[in-house]
Amino acid sequence: DVKVTQSSRYLVKRTGEKVFLECVQDMDHENMFWYRQDPGLGLRLIYFSYDVKMKEKGDIPEGYSVSREKKERFSLILESASTNQTSMYLCASRGMGYLWGYTFGSGTRLTVV
Amino acid sequence: QKEVEQDPGPLSVPEGAIVSLNCTYSNSAFQYFMWYRQYSRKGPELLMYTYSSGNKEDGRFTAQVDKSSKYISLFIRDSQPSDSATYLCAMSGDTGRRALTFGSGTRLQVQP
Repeated sequence: DVKVTQSSRYLVKRTGEKVFLECVQDMDHENMFWYRQDPGLGLRLIYFSYDVKMKEKGDIPEGYSVSREKKERFSLILESASTNQTSMYLCASRGMGYLWGYTFGSGTRLTVV
Repeated sequence: QKEVEQDPGPLSVPEGAIVSLNCTYSNSAFQYFMWYRQYSRKGPELLMYTYSSGNKEDGRFTAQVDKSSKYISLFIRDSQPSDSATYLCAMSGDTGRRALTFGSGTRLQVQP
């Protein structure tokens, strides 16, 4: 089974801190994604990457950056955390050409205080 | 206006009922349609997928796509308490790099 592992289930950070959310997949997938999930808003795409060192902005990239130095790892960075970034963050991966086959991690619940 | 609209629910039904979950969309370029199921405190998992218009059946689940109306449905027959979850529709165009666009999810509760 494809596995997508997010490093933390719960995180509490202070306003202004730099926050790193890590995601690792073990199936050699080319595509990786970061979404945030909020009640009533569903999943909103922050950034995605279709190859190592490649990245594209999603629908809500403001306040975030990403890093993909290795194929299996995709990191989401909150440059200066703010309370409106309190959310559930979901990482997903997908093989190229397999449009429906997202595999999600279990999510990181981030609270910014 | 959102590209994909989905009633958030909650939808509460008795065990054994037929459940109908729906999404509407505005982007005519969408070709691939999916339903994901998300249990509490878990990531979404793929339930069903279809390409273009038509029906697809898998056990108790049937997915329908009507591209002319920009409307997709998921039917669950003989619903079980274990079906209680949030159901997310998702869709995409036909470019390999494009990310999925998700609905906001419908929370379903099946009462024993």
